Order: sequence, then C-alpha cells, then structure tokens
Amino acid sequence: GAVVSQHPSWVICKSGTSVKIECRSLDFQATTMFWYRQFPKQSLMLMATSNEGSKATYEQGVEKDKFLINHASLTLSTLTVTSAHPEDSSFYICSASAHNEKLFFGSGTQLSVL
Amino acid sequence: AQTVTQSQPEMSVQEAETVTLSCTYDTSESDYYLFWYKQPPSRQMILVIRQEAYKQQNATENRFSVNFQKAAKSFSLKISDSQLGDAAMYFCAFQWGGSNYKLTFGKGTLLTVNP
Repeated sequence: GAVVSQHPSWVICKSGTSVKIECRSLDFQATTMFWYRQFPKQSLMLMATSNEGSKATYEQGVEKDKFLINHASLTLSTLTVTSAHPEDSSFYICSASAHNEKLFFGSGTQLSVL
Repeated sequence: AQTVTQSQPEMSVQEAETVTLSCTYDTSESDYYLFWYKQPPSRQMILVIRQEAYKQQNATENRFSVNFQKAAKSFSLKISDSQLGDAAMYFCAFQWGGSNYKLTFGKGTLLTVNP
C-alpha cells in the first residue's frame, strides 16, 4: 500500500517553544490530510482536515492559532504546535488520502513538553 | 453527526479460539464505509478490514470477518484462530464522502490473547 512518512517519531521540548511535525505522502498525491491526537489509552480524535492549497478546517474545540497546519503541496502537510505547554503532550498522527475513502496513516509523533 | 460506539473496553481470548468485537454506529447517511483498525503497542494504525455500506456481502480478510447489519447499524469483527500477534487495541471507524472522507473512531477495544 501507499506510504505516509511522519517525523519526528518523538520530540521533547521546553514549555513555551514551538514544535513542527511533518507528514509526507511518499508515493501518491495527497489531496487531503488529517491530523489526529491520541491521549494514552484513548481513541484518535480528529483535530483538523487540510486540503492542498487551502486553509485547514479545524474541529470544534481545537485552537487554530495554537495548532498551525500548512498543506502547501500535494505531498507535505505540517502541524506546528506553537507555545507548547505540558497539556499539549500527546501522540499526534497524520493520515492522507487522494480524495477517496482510502486513508494511509503515518507512524505518529510522541510530543513531550517539559 | 456520526457516532461510533464500542461497548467492550477490554476483551480476552485464548490462542486459537474465536473472539467477536462489537461496534454500533449512528448515521443518517445511506452510502458510507466502515473499518476496523488495529493499533499494536507500536501505535502504527493498521487497516484490518473495510466494508462498503452498499454491499450486502460481509467483508472477509483471512482470519478476520465482519457481521454487517445495516438496518441495525451494527458492525462486529470476528477474529478466528486467534494468534498472539492479534493482541492490540482495535478501533471501529465510520467514514463517508460528504465529510471529506474523515474517519470517526470508536473508543476502542483492548484485545488480550492468552497463550
């Protein structure tokens, strides 16, 4: 199947700093990318949907100024956690599709904010 | 809004036995997709099986099969001849094209396989 590369796999940062997570589709053009957040022993919660070349659509309760999403090309979407705080510590997962029902997941990024 | 409910937080099965994981969902849509995903300790999401709502025939993938009851909005996963490698968190998920194909997940069922 198609490959979605996500990195870094894990990142530790100090409170107040910003962290960028990349999600790349390696062998297909991803017209749509999704960003999920997962707390320990919980389900995946959709944060936002990004379509190439347009602004991301955020789910209710997700701060768009804190979680900046850029989908500048058909193979790359980035999630930047700005001014990170300990409560932002979580597992972040991206998934990508070529505008159909077939979604491919990245391997996830564990963010720890000290 | 669509919702997905997994009523079994945890399940266990003996190796080589069969186990069924339950999932119900709520939607007013008629054309949609349903999925079961497996998330092992590595946390990589792995697609187990996929069902198109317009198909009456239940999907099967080797030892994995589903019982799709559209009228009852039920979508259970049966794992036959359970193996130690099947131990993982299993998520049921709903998807339809009108929402940009985003996935809505249930809360998950943690499956333990006992040797």
